[in-house]
Amino acid sequence: GDSVTQMEGPVTLSEEACLTINCTYTATGYPSLFWYVQYPGEGLQLLLKATKADDKGSNKGFEATYRKETTSFHLEKGSVQVSDSAVYFCALHHQAGTALIFGKGTTLSVSS
Amino acid sequence: GAVVSQHPSWVICKSGTSVKIECRSLDFQATTMFWYRQFPKQSLMLMATSNEGSKATYEQGVEKDKFLINHASLTLSTLTVTSAHPEDSSFYICSARSGTHHSYNEQFFGPGTRLTVL
Repeated sequence: GDSVTQMEGPVTLSEEACLTINCTYTATGYPSLFWYVQYPGEGLQLLLKATKADDKGSNKGFEATYRKETTSFHLEKGSVQVSDSAVYFCALHHQAGTALIFGKGTTLSVSS
Repeated sequence: GAVVSQHPSWVICKSGTSVKIECRSLDFQATTMFWYRQFPKQSLMLMATSNEGSKATYEQGVEKDKFLINHASLTLSTLTVTSAHPEDSSFYICSARSGTHHSYNEQFFGPGTRLTVL
């Protein structure tokens, strides 16, 4: 079945450091790919998404490119801030409106 | 953006009792709601999908008689854990899919409910 694998955390960075959180997926066809972020005490929020190969999703300085050839959707940010500290989830679904399949989540901790 | 609330945010109960968790879409109508369960350091696992006015569809391995889901209105779904046991202790998260054109098919997540069964 479909699955999402993302790097184990926690990831600990200093402010202004570069961030990469790896995400790979296993799925038939062409799923849509997502990154969600969960700040402490809050629900998951959609960070960015890509619906087809080579699409780049971006938001709040974060980017991820849908790579069909490597089945990857790595999350990147050039300069992290303390406020980026949160848990990040990579996810996919095949059909709009269907349930999402999540990775385990990666905790990011940014210190000043 | 659209807001989904869950109540309670945490609950502690005795083994054998039932617990009801509410999921509400506060400013939009949710044609579909999803219930997930999250174990520590694990993924969110889909438990069931509920559509307003119809029976929920449960994922394989999820006991429908134990986890009762009701989606009686376009803004409210409830999950009742019946005869709870310590192994039911977990973090339960709901999401709601908007049926409006503005953010059609995007899912909005509640903050989750921490259930601890003693």
